[in-house]
Amino acid sequence: AQKVTQAQTEISVVEKEDVTLDCVYETRDTTYYLFWYKQPPSGELVFLIRRNSFDEQNEISGRYSWNFQKSTSSFNFTITASQVVDSAVYFCALKTSGSRLTFGEGTQLTVNP
Amino acid sequence: GAGVSQSPSNKVTEKGKDVELRCDPISGHTALYWYRQSLGQGLEFLIYFQGNSAPDKSGLPSDRFSAERTGGSVSTLTIQRTQQEDSAVYLCASSGFRLSGGETQYFGPGTRLLVL
Repeated sequence: AQKVTQAQTEISVVEKEDVTLDCVYETRDTTYYLFWYKQPPSGELVFLIRRNSFDEQNEISGRYSWNFQKSTSSFNFTITASQVVDSAVYFCALKTSGSRLTFGEGTQLTVNP
Repeated sequence: GAGVSQSPSNKVTEKGKDVELRCDPISGHTALYWYRQSLGQGLEFLIYFQGNSAPDKSGLPSDRFSAERTGGSVSTLTIQRTQQEDSAVYLCASSGFRLSGGETQYFGPGTRLLVL
């Protein structure tokens, strides 16, 4: 069985602070894919990144960066110099051999001006 | 190009009535998924289509729920005899096809269903 845990239910920061959202996953499959999605107040899930289990290289996209560590089964997401527009619920998700995405419970990020 | 679209965006119905929710996937995407997002249950997978067939229906919560997809495009999720616990946001996603299975699912805006 697959499981994704996002232990941080809510995080509140002040603009320009850096913030890291944690994601820990469980799977027995050796091939799998990890995703992060953003859900702003409008409700639509917006795709941010996909990583496969064979690629542990960290990735940076503007103010966003992702740290994938198989040794700790973690795929953490860092926002540098946060902005009010980053306020949203962020979901980490896992896809293995089946079709479905298994989502974590989400982390509500609030960035205050 | 256009993203995934869903209709209606909001639906209020009375307990016991049937409802139909529609999803238009991204053009050319062969795979289509339905998920449900509710308070306390998070995001739950319901059903997966590849073309017009549904190889994975294991997430449908009861036999009151059914879905079909025609022409390899539009999908309809039907809930019969709605119950209050069916109140949720129903999200549709679509993806292309990769042999590796690592395709990204792109989501629509969802249909917010409220059963009174």
